[in-house]
Amino acid sequence: EPEVTQTPSHQVTQMGQEVILRCVPISNHLYFYWYRQILGQKVEFLVSFYNNEISEKSEIFDDQFSVERPDGSNFTLKIRSTKLEDSAMYFCASRVTSGGTDTQYFGPGTRLTVL
Amino acid sequence: GNSVTQMEGPVTLSEEAFLTINCTYTATGYPSLFWYVQYPGEGLQLLLKATKADDKGSNKGFEATYRKETTSFHLEKGSVQVSDSAVYFCARTRQAGTALIFGKGTTLSVSS
Repeated sequence: EPEVTQTPSHQVTQMGQEVILRCVPISNHLYFYWYRQILGQKVEFLVSFYNNEISEKSEIFDDQFSVERPDGSNFTLKIRSTKLEDSAMYFCASRVTSGGTDTQYFGPGTRLTVL
Repeated sequence: GNSVTQMEGPVTLSEEAFLTINCTYTATGYPSLFWYVQYPGEGLQLLLKATKADDKGSNKGFEATYRKETTSFHLEKGSVQVSDSAVYFCARTRQAGTALIFGKGTTLSVSS
């Protein structure tokens, strides 16, 4: 069964550094998402991406963040100048169409630790 | 506001016990509702969903009914198994767009 994959599984970085989290969505999916979960808190939506541009974003997704689909398979989240509070589990998800009932398929997550 | 609230965990049950995990939502419209499950070391998997009032989602013995009058989507299972031990997330679609708003998650631990 096709699945969303994410790399790395765990990323440790120093405060102020830039990190890039990578995701490979399911191949025929058209919509891509990033979510994050700070330890002990709820899963929060960051951004969605369709047709090579951002289609929605939350108030969390500020200028520190950017997303890109650099080729036909990868979908990346870049966090510039990381802060301690960026430490969280970051989930990528994808779906086929835009309908509200369509299922989002999630990857296993990347745990980001900012020291 | 627009949010999802689910009962605090952890929930600890013996095998074959009845499970209820409460979930309520706030919304100005009629969102689609979901339960996702996360097994240790894995990503979020869709467990079931309901797209309109009075719909019942079901999968693997789990059920949840979309109750508009109480704005609830409680998860139930008649007889839990050890393999059901996981974190369960209630979610709804955002007011505009396709992204999801999640609850905090409820950890279920089932012992034999």
